Amino acid sequence: DTAVSQTPKYLVTQMGNDKSIKCEQNLGHDTMYWYKQDSKKFLKIMFSYNNKELIINETVPNRFSPKSPDKAHLNLHINSLELGDSAVYFCAVQDRPSTDTQYFGPGTRLTVL
Amino acid sequence: GESVGLHLPTLSVQEGDNSIINCAYSNSASDYFIWYKQESGKGPQFIIDIRSNMDKRQGQRVTVLLNKTVKHLSLQIAATQPGDSAVYFCAENMKDTGNQFYFGTGTSLTVIP
Repeated sequence: DTAVSQTPKYLVTQMGNDKSIKCEQNLGHDTMYWYKQDSKKFLKIMFSYNNKELIINETVPNRFSPKSPDKAHLNLHINSLELGDSAVYFCAVQDRPSTDTQYFGPGTRLTVL
Repeated sequence: GESVGLHLPTLSVQEGDNSIINCAYSNSASDYFIWYKQESGKGPQFIIDIRSNMDKRQGQRVTVLLNKTVKHLSLQIAATQPGDSAVYFCAENMKDTGNQFYFGTGTSLTVIP
């Protein structure tokens, strides 16, 4: 079983569209994250979220919003997509407060045309 | 072979040699660190972690060293194998910023058979 899964793996879309990326975890941990990895492989945190608190990186445009329908899922919604949104997006799950280790999903490569 | 992390993002080593990947972290309040390995097309994979109350931790063929005085972290890989070729990231957990992880630039390791 895959601990952290993401769908879709690849997403190609036009500028201005609205899209969602789904993340599901079967680890039972409370804390989940979304990261953006640019073409230079730099990983930047976008959001951290648990049952009680959403922490938003202030540099993330408000076109991006995380939605958690239940404890096992944290989806990423993106409105009015722009060319600069093209990147690989990773979901991660943190084993808090036990070990603090983070486990990453396989990533979603988003290409905005 | 040895890299200087931020200033030397690529490292090439001969198969069987030892590799040293370096990372300078930014926050003296960080108390937990993780090394990740990211293979092409995949998400970052946990390798080894260390807490700030330790100077050294060993895993299978990998050792992490932590020097809090100069805020420096290193990953040593013994008897490097072709399967070790990947991008390696260090990540620091800043408890004073909501337990978020911040990633270093990454070092691309290439193992020459």
